[in-house]
Amino acid sequence: KNEVEQSPQNLTAQEGEFITINCSYSVGISALHWLQQHPGGGIVSLFMLSSGKKKHGRLIATINIQEKHSSLHITASHPRDSAVYICAVNFGNEKLTFGTGTRLTIIP
Amino acid sequence: DAGVIQSPRHEVTEMGQEVTLRCKPISGHNSLFWYRQTMMRGLELLIYFNNNVPIDDSGMPEDRFSAKMPNASFSTLKIQPSEPRDSAVYFCASNPGIFYGYTFGSGTRLTVV
Repeated sequence: KNEVEQSPQNLTAQEGEFITINCSYSVGISALHWLQQHPGGGIVSLFMLSSGKKKHGRLIATINIQEKHSSLHITASHPRDSAVYICAVNFGNEKLTFGTGTRLTIIP
Repeated sequence: DAGVIQSPRHEVTEMGQEVTLRCKPISGHNSLFWYRQTMMRGLELLIYFNNNVPIDDSGMPEDRFSAKMPNASFSTLKIQPSEPRDSAVYFCASNPGIFYGYTFGSGTRLTVV
């Protein structure tokens, strides 16, 4: 079965801390996406990965194809980073299978 | 570009009524997706189109749901008759094709009472 698991489900941290959110998947994929959703808000695509590492500002996403695992890191976290972060995967086609999301809260 | 445009933003309707949600994808994007988000089930794909043709509708919950894409710039998701369990946020997304990122609309929050 094609599954996507995220951890942790909830994460609370102090402003400035380094944040790591993890995503693992069950079988081979064609691409992995990290999405951000603010409370009551829309969904924004942060990264699409098929290998290696990508960086955008304070956000870094990595993927290890052999271990079927990806991480999203946030450096120097800020209260505006508080959101739900969702990992989603293409299992060989255009359909996205979603993880359950990680609710991140950054305390000033 | 204005992004993916969905309307209405909010819809409150009575059980049994017909509901139509609308989506305008980004110009030039070949694929369009309808997703539903609920607290219990998270995000789920309902249906997606490629070049206006429905490719996979296996996520459409039952015959009460239907979706059309009459041209490259417009799609509708219709629920008839609506039920309280259809209450959710419905997102439309588009992308230029496989191996590209997705652009999501702002969503339609549907409440069926």
